[in-house]
Amino acid sequence: DGGITQSPKYLFRKEGQNVTLSCEQNLNHDAMYWYRQDPGQGLRLIYYSQIVNDFQKGDIAEGYSVSREKKESFPLTVTSAQKNPTAFYLCASSGTSGSIEQFFGPGTRLTVL
Amino acid sequence: GENVEQHPSTLSVQEGDSAVIKCTYSDSASNYFPWYKQELGKRPQLIIDIRSNVGEKKDQRIAVTLNKTAKHFSLHITETQPEDSAVYFCAASKGTGTASKLTFGTGTRLQVTL
Repeated sequence: DGGITQSPKYLFRKEGQNVTLSCEQNLNHDAMYWYRQDPGQGLRLIYYSQIVNDFQKGDIAEGYSVSREKKESFPLTVTSAQKNPTAFYLCASSGTSGSIEQFFGPGTRLTVL
Repeated sequence: GENVEQHPSTLSVQEGDSAVIKCTYSDSASNYFPWYKQELGKRPQLIIDIRSNVGEKKDQRIAVTLNKTAKHFSLHITETQPEDSAVYFCAASKGTGTASKLTFGTGTRLQVTL
């Protein structure tokens, strides 16, 4: 569990502001993911990255952006174009060598005021 | 794309009874089916997973069964305990390459009463 960290734990933003959520892992995993979780719904994939300097859109990428400049880091920016950004955001990572189990970070709860 | 349906949305059982949660998936190419447990305000944690070349897998009080023909899989918890109370999510993935795109069900809130 302790191999993936997210910060901050709680984040408040005003409408119209961009905000960046941090995700770091020390598990030497190649793949990283961002999910959004809303009450009564499952986790929905925003973006994922298989290797450094490469990432793909998930099911709900509109209004979000990511970068993958380092293997350990996969920050998510919630832009002002995201119409309903209040949610619980979870980062995950998975390794290689046949292991595709995803390990989750503790999450960031974003609230738009 | 893949679609995963999960039932029931809430489940209440008495301590010591069994609990069963069922999921169906739409993409016959899916080959990896994990189950996650999430306690309130915490991160999801993998409790058991199964691949499509296996019909059943057990780990102590937890078991998962997979029916590829019908495209459904189930989580079975026996001898439930209060600490089993949580939200459980099923998921499905094709599991290709180094990244597995998981599609999640909407979750089942399990409450184990004394």
